Parts: sequence; structure tokens; C-alpha cells
Amino acid sequence: KAGVTQTPRYLIKTRGQQVTLSCSPISGHRSVSWYQQTPGQGLQFLFEYFSETQRNKGNFPGRFSGRQFSNSRSEMNVSTLELGDSALYLCASSWYGLAGEQYFGPGTRLTVT
Amino acid sequence: QQQVKQSPQSLIVQKGGIPIINCAYENTAFDYFPWYQQFPGKGPALLIAIRPDVSEKKEGRFTISFNKSAKQFSLHIMDSQPGDSATYFCAANSGGGADGLTFGKGTHLIIQP
Repeated sequence: KAGVTQTPRYLIKTRGQQVTLSCSPISGHRSVSWYQQTPGQGLQFLFEYFSETQRNKGNFPGRFSGRQFSNSRSEMNVSTLELGDSALYLCASSWYGLAGEQYFGPGTRLTVT
Repeated sequence: QQQVKQSPQSLIVQKGGIPIINCAYENTAFDYFPWYQQFPGKGPALLIAIRPDVSEKKEGRFTISFNKSAKQFSLHIMDSQPGDSATYFCAANSGGGADGLTFGKGTHLIIQP
């Protein structure tokens, strides 16, 4: 069974721009969650989508948004990029949601200059 | 407020030794405790997880010990190998999972040949 895939793997953007990241979950998984990983803050929960609905949200500003499609694929969007948004963005998929086992993709490395 | 405290930050063990990584949590609502292994350039991989109704769980060379009264849990790696060198994260979640996984800051483990 194929794992979680994320595209693109690397991205360089300029401050003020916006960016869209994509995640394809494990086949059959309906829950997709997003995390930000930085050396200073570690791994932090952004939000979770289940069956095209955002169920849970972490403590991030409104510039961070997402959506999920009927095939469970998810996208995350960050608008008005700031230097501090440079991070590894990880997507995780799960059968049951946040209370169950979560399987992470390889991440998208975003660099904001 | 850091809800999951992980120690040590880094650890060097000789091949065949038993590295032990410890985590302590504050939120008594947490009821799911996974451990993840992350190699450079990769996403975290789920190693093993435990729920508070058991005090120990083994999967291959990996063992979780759980002490509910002390609100602590630890990861032991038996017969450690150089290939186990990675960063290990403990995490915790509550039943509803509304806040996503709360991660510790990570332990950088090196197994020397």
C-alpha cells in the first residue's frame, strides 16, 4: 500500500507571496492533518480535515488554511508569507482521525526569503 | 506551555546498548502515547504506541514503559544498532484529539559502532 505523498518536496518563496502545498493520504484514510516542524518550536499541529470538513484547528493565524477534496487529497495554503513560515510542513493521514494512528508523509521544505 | 517534556535532548550509546528516552506530560486527559522515529530528510515514522490501560508494550526491539501515576512514559531500544541513529519524538493526544498530537522536542540518538 502506498504511503502518504506530498508535493512539492522543496519550495522557495519570497516574503509576501502565497503558497499551496499538496498531500495525498494513504488509500482508504479519510483524515488528513497538517503539522509544521521548525528547529525552535518543534512539531506543531495546524489543522485536521475529515471527509472534506475541517474538524480541528491548532493555534496558527488565519493566513494558514486548508481544504480537502472528495478523494481525501488535501491542500494547505499559506498567504502573505513571512520569514518565520520557513519550515518543514508535514501531512499525516489516519483512518479514524487524530485519536488514532497517524502516518506522516516526507514533508515539504518551504523556505521564505 | 510545553505539555510534553522529553529528555535527554541528545544521547550517544554504543552498539548493543539500551538507550532510554523519557517523556513526562501534564495533561491528564491524554490517553494515547505514540513514539515516532525521524531520519534526516524524512517524515516521522510511527514506531510504537501505548494507551494508559497497560504499563508496558513491546514491538520487536522497541519497548514503551508507562507510569500513569507519575505521568511519565519512556522508550527503550534493545540491542541498539547504528541504523537506529535518528531523532525520536514522543507525543500525546487526548480521546477527542481536538488539539492534534502534542510532541516532545525530540531526542537525537547516535548509536556508535
